[in-house]
Amino acid sequence: QLQLQESGPGLVKPSETLSLTCTVSGGSISSSNYYWGWIRQPPGKGLEWIGSIYYSGSTYYNPSLKSRVTISVDTSKNQISLNLNSVTAADTAIHYCARLTPSGRSDYWGRGTLVTVSS
Amino acid sequence: EIVLTQSPATLSLSPGERATLSCRASQSVSSSLVWYQQKPGQAPRLLIYDASNRATGIPARFSGSGSGTDFTLTISSLEPEDFAVYYCQQRNNWPPLTFGGGTKVEI
Repeated sequence: QLQLQESGPGLVKPSETLSLTCTVSGGSISSSNYYWGWIRQPPGKGLEWIGSIYYSGSTYYNPSLKSRVTISVDTSKNQISLNLNSVTAADTAIHYCARLTPSGRSDYWGRGTLVTVSS
Repeated sequence: EIVLTQSPATLSLSPGERATLSCRASQSVSSSLVWYQQKPGQAPRLLIYDASNRATGIPARFSGSGSGTDFTLTISSLEPEDFAVYYCQQRNNWPPLTFGGGTKVEI
């Protein structure tokens, strides 16, 4: 069974960089035809797609975050990573890692990790 | 960017009743619409893809319909475990993927 696990600091200071890792187990991140991505959810609010990456390294970002986001893949570790720079309190959210099929549906999700932006 | 508007924001029903949730797109997304269910403290779970196809393991009481700009998620007879928040998401010509604001189905 495919499992995704997010990890990283739960607290980040304003203006600094939020960095998270998603480790995939039970399957290869290099499986063809799948994308891997990040989705966030501010506490008590709705879902926002951050971006996705193909195992080859091709990336797709939300235009509203594109200037601040970098998503990368490490196939040797079966991991993807998220970096979001210049964070503010508005970036406080639960961050989910998810597998995305070519048809655009997220069929496997991690449990999510809360990142709070505060000094 | 395609905007998805879900209505109502909250649906108050009793177990056994029928739930009808709406998702409207700001422009046509063809049949490229997905529905998720999210319970408190949990990640979203895929329910319906391509507007009307149930995901693996999803009970038959869940059904999706629609195309173009108007979509509906129907729960034919609510079970206690169905009280949750439901989100629609479009993937037509992504990126970006966009989500609706959600409908909370409460008892």
